[in-house]
Amino acid sequence: SQQGEEDPQALSIQEGENATMNCSYKTSINNLQWYRQNSGRGLVHLILIRSNEREKHSGRLRVTLDTSKKSSSLLITASRAADTASYFCATVGGTSYGKLTFGQGTILTVHP
Amino acid sequence: SAVISQKPSRDICQRGTSLTIQCQVDSQVTMMFWYRQQPGQSLTLIATANQGSEATYESGFVIDKFPISRPNLTFSTLTVSNMSPEDSSIYLCSVVRVLAGADEQFFGPGTRLTVL
Repeated sequence: SQQGEEDPQALSIQEGENATMNCSYKTSINNLQWYRQNSGRGLVHLILIRSNEREKHSGRLRVTLDTSKKSSSLLITASRAADTASYFCATVGGTSYGKLTFGQGTILTVHP
Repeated sequence: SAVISQKPSRDICQRGTSLTIQCQVDSQVTMMFWYRQQPGQSLTLIATANQGSEATYESGFVIDKFPISRPNLTFSTLTVSNMSPEDSSIYLCSVVRVLAGADEQFFGPGTRLTVL
């Protein structure tokens, strides 16, 4: 079964609001990554957080990781219509570079 | 960042035929992978493309169905053999460049395959 479970499956918000997506996983990890996918196109890497990190920021993105709960969250602040996309978390275990196990994804719709 | 191109970007194929997808990277990378994304689903790793040797397949994927080549550090192909409508998916190439203390991973734009 998939390593990651994400919620919500779909999120609809207004421009300017914050969007929070959650991801849970089942086994120990080396790192957790978040990706964005626009309309079934290629993936864009957003941010990587290692297992020994608890929080990371990149621009309007904030990612947290709680290894005791095996969960992560992605917060997008001050959302824009251009943020409309599918967002996936993906985990890497051990030294399995590049072998990502993806969650089911959250479809985010930001209304202008 | 690594620039990855895939050919073709999309194709519509008949049942029983085969399609070879190419992945070209603009610089040498340590590792290359092939992923599949079925309609409305998340991504699943098919295999690791190993330079000069047989690919390493994940559970549920076999070489006869998805033969993979990687003749050098910047190029790989994935063939989808004897296709059926269930093979309709987006196939994505991914590369990792392992650097000291960090690793960077990138995805290609994907090949959208429809099998009739």
